[in-house]
Amino acid sequence: AQSVTQLDSQVPVFEEAPVELRCNYSSSVSVYLFWYVQYPNQGLQLLLKYLSGSTLVKGINGFEAEFNKSQTSFHLRKPSVHISDTAEYFCAVRPAEKLVFGKGTKLTVNP
Amino acid sequence: GAGVSQSPSNKVTEKGKDVELRCDPISGHTALYWYRQSLGQGLEFLIYFQGNSAPDKSGLPSDRFSAERTGGSVSTLTIQRTQQEDSAVYLCASSLAKGAGRDVGNTIYFGEGSWLTVV
Repeated sequence: AQSVTQLDSQVPVFEEAPVELRCNYSSSVSVYLFWYVQYPNQGLQLLLKYLSGSTLVKGINGFEAEFNKSQTSFHLRKPSVHISDTAEYFCAVRPAEKLVFGKGTKLTVNP
Repeated sequence: GAGVSQSPSNKVTEKGKDVELRCDPISGHTALYWYRQSLGQGLEFLIYFQGNSAPDKSGLPSDRFSAERTGGSVSTLTIQRTQQEDSAVYLCASSLAKGAGRDVGNTIYFGEGSWLTVV
């Protein structure tokens, strides 16, 4: 069975600081990995995805993630965050048709 | 429409009543999903429809939950005899899909959800 672990439920940071949101997965098959963002009172929006090829994936809003097969990780990073990045971030794996999500990380960016 | 549309956006219902939640997927998307988002539980898969294939109902938590998709487009999620633990946000999503495991790279687009509160 596939599963996703997001190691931090909450991450507070100051504006313009770098941030890393951690995600580990387990899967017995080839994996396709995704990060979604959910702003307050909104649905989920795709940030980026890894299907194959380069292990460094760039997404929207300056976010990037690195796929590490040996460590079964797909951590999300941004070098300098803004207040507007305050949201909940979900890592997901897609072994077949449906997405399997982690429990989410709430990122709070403080001035 | 431009995105996945869900209604109602908010619903408060009394325990024991039935509720229906509606989802309009993106035009042309053949795959449709329902997920439930509740505090402390993250996002739980409920059900998946793909074209004319039999739906994957493996995530439905009990027989009080059912869903249908009429004409390959609009879907309705029905919860019978609601309980307080059914309080959650119900998210619908859709994607282009050919099925047979060939679509894992396709983006799944989510609606804004229906917030259900059972009192």
